[in-house]
Amino acid sequence: AQSVAQPEDQVNVAEGNPLTVKCTYSVSGNPYLFWYVQYPNRGLQFLLKYITGDNLVKGSYGFEAEFNKSQTSFHLKKPSALVSDSALYFCAVSTDSWGKLQFGAGTQVVVTP
Amino acid sequence: DTGVSQNPRHKITKRGQNVTFRCDPISEHNRLYWYRQTLGQGPEFLTYFQNEAQLEKSRLLSDRFSAERPKGSFSTLEIQRTEQGDSAMYLCASSMTDRTQYFGPGTRLLVL
Repeated sequence: AQSVAQPEDQVNVAEGNPLTVKCTYSVSGNPYLFWYVQYPNRGLQFLLKYITGDNLVKGSYGFEAEFNKSQTSFHLKKPSALVSDSALYFCAVSTDSWGKLQFGAGTQVVVTP
Repeated sequence: DTGVSQNPRHKITKRGQNVTFRCDPISEHNRLYWYRQTLGQGPEFLTYFQNEAQLEKSRLLSDRFSAERPKGSFSTLEIQRTEQGDSAMYLCASSMTDRTQYFGPGTRLLVL
């Protein structure tokens, strides 16, 4: 069975500092990996995805993520966090041909001024 | 706005009542997904349509739940005889074959 783990319920970071949100996965077969962000009472907003190719993926709003096959990780990073990055972040994995997503439990990011 | 839309945004109902939610996907997207999200959890897959065909249903989708996508355009999710445990955010997403799913704002259901 496939699974996605986000080991941190919350990440606190000061504005301007680097932000990292961790994600590890367990799948059989080749994973397709995604990051989404959710603001209060809103749907999920796509940030970036890894399908194949370069292990470093760049996405929206200055976010990037690195696919590490040996460590089965797909951590989300941003070099300099903004207060407006405060939100709930979800990692998701898909392995079937229909693309259904399995999500982690989410990580709340709090960026303080 | 050319994104995914969902209606209603909020629904309060009494236990035992039936409710129906609507999702309008991005127009050129042939794939449509429904997910359910409860407080403090990530979304959980419910069902998937490719065009008008419902190709997969989760075990979470009990026989009180039914979904349709007539003509491969909008979709409806109906819950019959609602229970308090059905209270959740119901999310709809659509995609093309590139696997990137775009989500609607969700319908928040509260069953009293």
